[in-house]
Amino acid sequence: EPEVTQTPSHQVTQMGQEVILRCVPISNHLYFYWYRQILGQKVEFLVSFYNNEISEKSEIFDDQFSVERPDGSNFTLKIRSTKLEDSAMYFCASTPPGSTEAFFGQGTRLTVV
Amino acid sequence: AQSVTQLDSQVPVFEEAPVELRCNYSSSVSVYLFWYVQYPNQGLQLLLKYLSGSTLVKGINGFEAEFNKSQTSFHLRKPSVHISDTAEYFCAVSDRHSGGSNYKLTFGKGTLLTVNP
Repeated sequence: EPEVTQTPSHQVTQMGQEVILRCVPISNHLYFYWYRQILGQKVEFLVSFYNNEISEKSEIFDDQFSVERPDGSNFTLKIRSTKLEDSAMYFCASTPPGSTEAFFGQGTRLTVV
Repeated sequence: AQSVTQLDSQVPVFEEAPVELRCNYSSSVSVYLFWYVQYPNQGLQLLLKYLSGSTLVKGINGFEAEFNKSQTSFHLRKPSVHISDTAEYFCAVSDRHSGGSNYKLTFGKGTLLTVNP
């Protein structure tokens, strides 16, 4: 069964460093999303992406964040200069055409030290 | 703007007992409603969803949920739980009138269901 895959599963980075979280959405899906979950808090929407551009973004998604679909399969989230408060589980998701169901990856746990 | 409240952060139950996980939402627009489950070290998996029609929806693993518009609730139930149902359960909503398939989800904080033998 097709699934959304995310790499790495866990990343540790030093404060101020740039990180790139990678996702491979399901191949025929059209909308792609990033969500994050800070430990003990709710899952929060960051950004949605369609047709090679940002469709919607939350107030969390400030200038230090960017997304890209560099080729036909990968969907990346870049955090330019990580802060301690960026430590969270980051989930990638995608939805197929005409569907309301989002398919989620297993998440990348980002730890900023 | 939408918000989702899951009143119970943790629900411990014994195996084969019934369980109800509560979810209330608030929204200025019509919404779709979802329950997702997260097993340890795994991603979020859709349990069930309410889009329209019958207010009682059935999902995977014997779970069901009932949409109550007047109470703005979408409680999740299972008549008899198993050890394997131990997981975190998330209620979520999305705007019915989003463009295309851009169904941004607003989640509750989650309820950790622990099933004990």
